[in-house]
Amino acid sequence: EPEVTQTPSHQVTQMGQEVILRCVPISNHLYFYWYRQILGQKVEFLVSFYNNEISEKSEIFDDQFSVERPDGSNFTLKIRSTKLEDSAMYFCASSMGQNYGYTFGSGTRLTVV
Amino acid sequence: DQQVKQNSPSLSVQEGRISILNCDYTNSMFDYFLWYKKYPAEGPTFLISISSIKDKNEDGRFTVFLNKSAKHLSLHIVPSQPGDSAVYFCAASDYGGSQGNLIFGKGTKLSVKP
Repeated sequence: EPEVTQTPSHQVTQMGQEVILRCVPISNHLYFYWYRQILGQKVEFLVSFYNNEISEKSEIFDDQFSVERPDGSNFTLKIRSTKLEDSAMYFCASSMGQNYGYTFGSGTRLTVV
Repeated sequence: DQQVKQNSPSLSVQEGRISILNCDYTNSMFDYFLWYKKYPAEGPTFLISISSIKDKNEDGRFTVFLNKSAKHLSLHIVPSQPGDSAVYFCAASDYGGSQGNLIFGKGTKLSVKP
């Protein structure tokens, strides 16, 4: 069964450093998403991406965050200057479109120290 | 502002019995609802969905019921198995107004005891 692949599985970074979280969505999917889950809290929407541009973003997704689909297969989330409160599990997801369930990756655990 | 609420953080059920997981929502624009299951250290896995034009959808042991007037949905698992032990997330979206961004509840941890 096709999978969404995320790397790395765990990233530790110093506060103020830039991090890039990588995702390889399912190849025939058209919609791509990033979600995050702070420990003990709910899964929160960050951003959706379609047709090579951001289609929607949440209040969490401020100027420190950016997304790219640099080569038609990877989908990346960049955090420019990490803060302690960015520590969370970050999930990438992809979907064929409306009325289809999302397929999530296994997540990247980001720890900011 | 919690648009999707799962008021029970945990639920314990005996193997073979029915598990009922509940979810309430506040946004009347939601027209598509999904349930996800999540094991530790894994991403959420899609289980079952329901459109707002239906009140029931069934897939094997899993049935989702939607009560639009009460803004309530539930997931029934019959019979429950120990492998069903996981965190279950309810999610909702207004596909008509967005690219389908999901709003998740906080999850309910289901424990099925042998």
